[in-house]
Amino acid sequence: QKEVEQNSGPLSVPEGAIASLNCTYSDRGSQSFFWYRQYSGKSPELIMFIYSNGDKEDGRFTAQLNKASQYVSLLIRDSQPSDSATYLCAVTRGSNYKLTFGKGTLLTVNP
Amino acid sequence: GAVVSQHPSRVICKSGTSVKIECRSLDFQATTMFWYRQFPKKSLMLMATSNEGSKATYEQGVEKDKFLINHASLTLSTLTVTSAHPEDSSFYICSATSGILRPEAFFGQGTRLTVV
Repeated sequence: QKEVEQNSGPLSVPEGAIASLNCTYSDRGSQSFFWYRQYSGKSPELIMFIYSNGDKEDGRFTAQLNKASQYVSLLIRDSQPSDSATYLCAVTRGSNYKLTFGKGTLLTVNP
Repeated sequence: GAVVSQHPSRVICKSGTSVKIECRSLDFQATTMFWYRQFPKKSLMLMATSNEGSKATYEQGVEKDKFLINHASLTLSTLTVTSAHPEDSSFYICSATSGILRPEAFFGQGTRLTVV
């Protein structure tokens, strides 16, 4: 069983729509959860992190965490073509802060 | 977010030579740095974890003698690819965290290494 799973996509949404990206993790001891965005040929860029159950909003982005279901999601409101990228879900456990990544979901926002 | 600077962004070297890549945290003290490599359209692969002042911890299958990692200060880690071969050509990326103070990791811009 993979530790962090994401639908590889591609996920295609029209401009202005809400994009919903999902991630599940297998280790119940996971403590911190991160969403990174990676444009083709570039390094990952941190979008959001969440530690507690519930929602966390930052601008057009909302991260949702449900530890009971071992599920974390990222919603992007008013999607823009510039949001087209691969979105990486990552988790950490313990004090070594080592990120375990999912394989990423490719999002395409169509003008 | 915090700034992590990686240098050089691109390097081309001849087979058999060594290449050093630097990773600097510019506005925070990085207690832990990570080195990844990524092949085209593939996932990030963690190579090693380095803590300031101690030896790096390498992931299974990563050759310690080939990929030398030094984390001499709280703001600088280096990765040296020794005796590079064409199969070492890849995108190398570092990330840094200040641990409990700021557990989220920030990534450098990456280094595209081409060995000819």
